[in-house]
Amino acid sequence: EPEVTQTPSHQVTQMGQEVILRCVPISNHLYFYWYRQILGQKVEFLVSFYNNEISEKSEIFDDQFSVERPDGSNFTLKIRSTKLEDSAMYFCASSETTEETQYFGPGTRLLVL
Amino acid sequence: QQQVKQSPQSLIVQKGGISIINCAYENTAFDYFPWYQQFPGKGPALLIAIRPDVSEKKEGRFTISFNKSAKQFSLHIMDSQPGDSATYFCAARGDYKLSFGAGTTVTVRA
Repeated sequence: EPEVTQTPSHQVTQMGQEVILRCVPISNHLYFYWYRQILGQKVEFLVSFYNNEISEKSEIFDDQFSVERPDGSNFTLKIRSTKLEDSAMYFCASSETTEETQYFGPGTRLLVL
Repeated sequence: QQQVKQSPQSLIVQKGGISIINCAYENTAFDYFPWYQQFPGKGPALLIAIRPDVSEKKEGRFTISFNKSAKQFSLHIMDSQPGDSATYFCAARGDYKLSFGAGTTVTVRA
């Protein structure tokens, strides 16, 4: 069964450093998303992406964040200068259309020290 | 702005019992209501979903009841098993994104 994959599974970084989280969405999916989950809290939407453009973004997704589809398979989330409060589990998701179910990857646990 | 409210925060049920989780939403533009199951350290996995033109959907031991006029929906887990012990999130879709409830941790005692 096709699945969304994410790398790395864990990332530890120093405050102020840049991190790039990588995702490989399901191959025939056209819509891509990033969500995050701070420990013990609910899953929060960050951004949606379609046709090489951001479709929607939340207030969390400020200028420190960017997304990119650098090739035909990868979808990345970059945090330019990490803060302590960026520590969370980051989930990538994809869907075939906006009408279809979003499938989530296993997540990247980011710890900012 | 909390668009999806979920309760209870946690529940304990005996093996074979029924688990009931409730959610309420505010935005009438939501068009799709999935439930996700999450095990520790894993991503949310789709469990079952419903669209607002249907009042009930059943898949195996899992049933969603949907009340459009009350803007509420619930998940029933029948014959709960220890393997059902997980966190369950309701969600609602609108404007390209999912809004999640706060989650319910279900513990099934053997």
